This record gives sequence, C-alpha cells and structure tokens, in this order.
Amino acid sequence: AQSVTQLGSHVSVSEGALVLLRCNYSSSVPPYLFWYVQYPNQGLQLLLKYTSAATLVKGINGFEAEFKKSETSFHLTKPSAHMSDAAEYFCAVSEGSFQKLVFGTGTRLLVSP
Amino acid sequence: EPEVTQTPSHQVTQMGQEVILRCVPISNHLYFYWYRQILGQKVEFLVSFYNNEISEKSEIFDDQFSVERPDGSNFTLKIRSTKLEDSAMYFCASTRQVQETQYFGPGTRLLVL
Repeated sequence: AQSVTQLGSHVSVSEGALVLLRCNYSSSVPPYLFWYVQYPNQGLQLLLKYTSAATLVKGINGFEAEFKKSETSFHLTKPSAHMSDAAEYFCAVSEGSFQKLVFGTGTRLLVSP
Repeated sequence: EPEVTQTPSHQVTQMGQEVILRCVPISNHLYFYWYRQILGQKVEFLVSFYNNEISEKSEIFDDQFSVERPDGSNFTLKIRSTKLEDSAMYFCASTRQVQETQYFGPGTRLLVL
C-alpha cells in the first residue's frame, strides 16, 4: 500500500518569504501525486498534480512542485508567501484501479506579517 | 464553475442513531468517493462507487456504513448506528474519469454525542 509522509505538521514563514512544504511517497513506481489545500471551514481544493508528463508542475496561486524519483519526493514551493496562503496543505498519492487518494497528515502553513 | 455540494454542513446526533450524509456530485461525473477526516488527523478513504456499485472500500467501511445513488444525482453515505468514533468531517468527491482530478465538496461535520 502507498503511503505519504509530510515532514512538519506546522511551518511558519514571514510574508514574502519562500514557502517549502515537504512530501515523500513510498511507491517504487512513479504514481500520480497531488497537493491539495484546505482553507478554514472549507473542502479540499487541488493545487497541482503530477501525472508523469513533466517533473516540475505548476499549480494555482503561484505554487509549484518538483517530482524527484531518486528522492521519492514531491515538495511544494512558492517563492513569496502571501497572507492568504495560510491554510492546511495535504500531499496525496493515488492508488488502485479506482485511484483512491492516500493522504499525508497535512502541514499547516502560518504566514506572519 | 460546477462544484460538489454536501448537506448538511453540520450534523449532531446521539450515539446509536442513523445518519444520512448527502452529496450532489458534478453532473457529468461517473466516479464517486467518500473520505473522512477525524479532527487533527489525516484524510482517510472510505469508499469508491462506480456504475451503481461499490468499487473499493477501506477497512473503516464496515457493515454500519452504506452508500447509495438513489436518483442519479444524489450520492449518500449512511451510518446505521453511529458511534462516538464516527465523529469526523466527511468529504464527498467525484471525477469524470478515474485518472482525472477528484473534486471535493465542502464536507459535513458530524458530531456523535
């Protein structure tokens, strides 16, 4: 079974600073990988996904993630944090014939002025 | 833009009572999913549904749980006899094709007392 590890349950950055949220997956076969964001009291919104087309994936709101097979990683980055980026971020991998999502434990991003 | 909707947004019930959580997936989607998130924990897969039958279910999805697509638009999750540990946020998701993005609803927060 697939698993996803997100290092750091909380990450704090200052507005304008680089955002780096870490995600490692367990699969030996390149899977489909996702980053979802959850704003307070809202559902999960897709930020970006990797489907083996390109290793650097650009998503919404200026976020991007790089798939590194050698490191089994799919870290999420944004060059300059904005206050509105404060939310919970979940990395996920799809598994099985019906592509259920297996989520990591999430990382709460805190952005200070 | 089409979106997945869920009702109710919050539900409080007594232990042992039956609850039905409702979802309206995006209209041309064919694959449907339920996930749950216990407070402070990661999002977990419960069940997937395609062609009017369960395609996959997790260990969590025991005999107390059932799903149904009663009328071609709604997708419901029933818990027959709720337990305290069923308290969680329940998310519905849908996708048109299994390899495409799953779109999530805003969730139903269930509290079992």
